[in-house]
Amino acid sequence: ETGVTQTPRHLVMGMTNKKSLKCEQHLGHNAMYWYKQSAKKPLELMFVYSLEERVENNSVPSRFSPECPNSSHLFLHLHTLQPEDSALYLCASSQDPTGLNYEQYFGPGTRLTVT
Amino acid sequence: GNSVTQMEGPVTLSEEAFLTINCTYTATGYPSLFWYVQYPGEGLQLLLKATKADDKGSNKGFEATYRKETTSFHLEKGSVQVSDSAVYFCALSTEVSYSSASKIIFGSGTRLSIRP
Repeated sequence: ETGVTQTPRHLVMGMTNKKSLKCEQHLGHNAMYWYKQSAKKPLELMFVYSLEERVENNSVPSRFSPECPNSSHLFLHLHTLQPEDSALYLCASSQDPTGLNYEQYFGPGTRLTVT
Repeated sequence: GNSVTQMEGPVTLSEEAFLTINCTYTATGYPSLFWYVQYPGEGLQLLLKATKADDKGSNKGFEATYRKETTSFHLEKGSVQVSDSAVYFCALSTEVSYSSASKIIFGSGTRLSIRP
């Protein structure tokens, strides 16, 4: 148990559906991250939020829309996804957005399948 | 730019064998270095870290030393167990270029399988 929870753990959706992934951290951290982990590909950083402000968007398609209403919660809104978007989506948080020494704490991930 | 290169897997060893997983990095400045582990069906967990040159991180029998001269951070364990079977990621931390938020750059991961 890392203090970062993600729901749902598994999600199957059609290409025309709209769904949201939720992440919550109970660690008092100030930075939160979304990653995409696909089979046989490196971990891809998607979004970074620092103090609830988005500070990085790594050229992620607009069908992925993040939302960070407060420092404890992070959402990833999904719409009109493609089959190649099927992956494990990992959320992480870190203590101090300015601190290079601070590791990230990961949630267990949401396994997304787009049919 | 900053990057991490680690040996490709899968690596398969017998129980009690010696383990080395190589990791080298390219970075500007003085990053912190990490090893993360991902057990089946779970997210990544920090295994160990080192924040400056010559630091040795250690945890659960695993060790890695921050070598600035060779830009390396190799992971070692003297006697592996079946429970060590997982995917291991080498990583470095760096600042996001236009803000104060840090981010971590991960290697591609090395799958380790231990035979009883």
